[in-house]
Amino acid sequence: GAGVSQSPSNKVTEKGKDVELRCDPISGHTALYWYRQSLGQGLEFLIYFQGNSAPDKSGLPSDRFSAERTGGSVSTLTIQRTQQEDSAVYLCASSLSGDPSSGYTFGSGTRLTVV
Amino acid sequence: RKEVEQDPGPFNVPEGATVAFICTYSNSASQSFFWYRQDCRKEPKLLMSVYSSGNEDGRFTAQLNRASQYISLLIRDSKLSDSATYLCVANTGGFKTIFGAGTRLFVKA
Repeated sequence: GAGVSQSPSNKVTEKGKDVELRCDPISGHTALYWYRQSLGQGLEFLIYFQGNSAPDKSGLPSDRFSAERTGGSVSTLTIQRTQQEDSAVYLCASSLSGDPSSGYTFGSGTRLTVV
Repeated sequence: RKEVEQDPGPFNVPEGATVAFICTYSNSASQSFFWYRQDCRKEPKLLMSVYSSGNEDGRFTAQLNRASQYISLLIRDSKLSDSATYLCVANTGGFKTIFGAGTRLFVKA
């Protein structure tokens, strides 16, 4: 597609439920990132995929968070047993390579609200 | 201490004003720097890269001071459309990119 596509755009879930967030990067972009942005805060790095290499998961806040990227394209971020502190906007970005100077293209995000 | 720190603002300026933002970074190993712009409830978008020699793009000028570990963004002749949050970004090599919390700018008529 022309840009990074994320779905759903909004998700309201009950505490304790599992959620899946989807990211469809720009075709041909080998690098894919997940960030989290809480109200009034900067972007918190979660996980990074580059091509077929093992992902860097160093930013995942707990073992309730996991992500995968199938076929080097679409990525799914899964949050198990959601907590209220998980409420945030989850942003996906892709870039042509892992070089940040090429710029990241962000999707419009998934606004997650845990009630 | 946060790796990348910015004054959250908000900066309220009249149209035509010149405004400057400063962003400090704590990791001296940081190699590349960027400014992103984020409109309300929208995703961040790359505004410009920051080079050691400075970088100018129209009304926008970005500079890097490695000795004091800060970068700056200068906006001249502010427009209403410049109202947004400006995110400072530092990269320590590879993919590890740290975003600041942003500085909010409101340009008033």
